[in-house]
Amino acid sequence: DAGVIQSPRHEVTEMGQEVTLRCKPISGHDYLFWYRQTMMRGLELLIYFNNNVPIDDSGMPEDRFSAKMPNASFSTLKIQPSEPRDSAVYFCASSLAGGIYEQFFGPGTRLTVL
Amino acid sequence: AQTVTQSQPEMSVQEAETVTLSCTYDTSESDYYLFWYKQPPSRQMILVIRQEAYKQQNATENRFSVNFQKAAKSFSLKISDSQLGDAAMYFCAHGDPSGNTPLVFGKGTRLSVIA
Repeated sequence: DAGVIQSPRHEVTEMGQEVTLRCKPISGHDYLFWYRQTMMRGLELLIYFNNNVPIDDSGMPEDRFSAKMPNASFSTLKIQPSEPRDSAVYFCASSLAGGIYEQFFGPGTRLTVL
Repeated sequence: AQTVTQSQPEMSVQEAETVTLSCTYDTSESDYYLFWYKQPPSRQMILVIRQEAYKQQNATENRFSVNFQKAAKSFSLKISDSQLGDAAMYFCAHGDPSGNTPLVFGKGTRLSVIA
C-alpha cells in the first residue's frame, strides 16, 4: 500500500489567499484525522471523520477553516482567508476500526503564509 | 481530558550508548494505549512502540523498550545501542481503547546522537 498521501508537500501563499490541503487515506481505513503541528502548540487535532462523517471538529480554530470528506478515499482541509498564524505543518492520518490500534500518518504539508 | 507531558525538550546520547526519554500522562480511564512516535527531519511520523495499559509486561521492539508504570502514570522510552539514525524528535502519545479516537501528544523531545 502507498500509505497516506498528502498534497502538496509544501505550500507558500500570501495572507488572504485560499489554501486547500489534500489527503488520500490508506485504502479500507474508515477513520481520518487532521492534525496541525506548530512549535508553540505541538501536535493538535483539528478534526476527524468516521466513514466520511465528521465526528469532532472542536479543534478547528475558527470559521476560516473547513474540512470535507466527500468519499472514503479523499479529504480536504481548506483555509479561507489564510493568515500568517496558520503557518504550520498539517498532517493527515488514517486508521482502521478494530484490529491493532495504529494511526498511519502522511508526510505532512508545510504551509507558509506570508 | 487526557494530557501528556514530556519534560525533556532536548536530550543527547553518544553513539552505542543508552538513553531514556521521559513521559508522564494524566487520564481518568483505566484502559488506554500509549505510544512513542519518531519524527526525523523528513517530518514523517513513525510509530516506534505501542503499549496497552491493561498489559503489565513492558513492550519491546528491538533496541526500543518502555518502562510503563501505570500507578505513576509514567511511560519512558529506552533506546539501547543508539545509532546516528535515531536522531529525531520523539513524541509520547495517549489514545483511548476504542482504537480510533484522536491521539493526544506531548510536546516532544529532540534527541541528538553524537558520533
